[in-house]
Amino acid sequence: AQTVTQSQPEMSVQEAETVTLSCTYDTSESNYYLFWYKQPPSRQMILVIRQEAYKQQNATENRFSVNFQKAAKSFSLKISDSQLGDTAMYFCAFMRPSYNNNDMRFGAGTRLTVKP
Amino acid sequence: DVKVTQSSRYLVKRTGEKVFLECVQDMDHENMFWYRQDPGLGLRLIYFSYDVKMKEKGDIPEGYSVSREKKERFSLILESASTNQTSMYLCASSLFSFGTNEKLFFGSGTQLSVL
Repeated sequence: AQTVTQSQPEMSVQEAETVTLSCTYDTSESNYYLFWYKQPPSRQMILVIRQEAYKQQNATENRFSVNFQKAAKSFSLKISDSQLGDTAMYFCAFMRPSYNNNDMRFGAGTRLTVKP
Repeated sequence: DVKVTQSSRYLVKRTGEKVFLECVQDMDHENMFWYRQDPGLGLRLIYFSYDVKMKEKGDIPEGYSVSREKKERFSLILESASTNQTSMYLCASSLFSFGTNEKLFFGSGTQLSVL
């Protein structure tokens, strides 16, 4: 079974600074997908960024980027120019696609607080 | 935009009650999921369904059952609610795809308190 580990339960960062959230995972699969989801106080889970394991290039979405190290099974999220609206729970997730389902497995989450 | 709607945002029930949590998606997705979210544990998969009347157990199915009579609706049932089922419940859906655009769309969650 796949496991996802987020070792930082809580983090804080000053507005406009950069922060990196860590995630490691364990799998024997070669083809899979990794995700970072954001859950603000509204509780709506929002997809931040998605990485396909077969792509060596790290995914980037505006201020959000990942450092994907496949051999090390590491998938960290970097948030640049942090904004107050980035305050949320962040979940790292792993998905192994199959023909009849795409169930996703999550880490325990990191609570990020952006301070003014 | 894809919309996944959970019928209740907050729910308070008594121990032993039968509880129904409803989820509806409007994008004709084949896959639907129920997760439970607890502090320090993240999201854990309870059940999922990849087609009408089809269901598969996730990691923590004990004490729960599900129903999918129509493609757009996926219900989570607590046959006899217990206090250890107090939690946030998240419904999600996704397309049946393979190697194209996998991702989950989530509802806003139901915070269930069992007293």
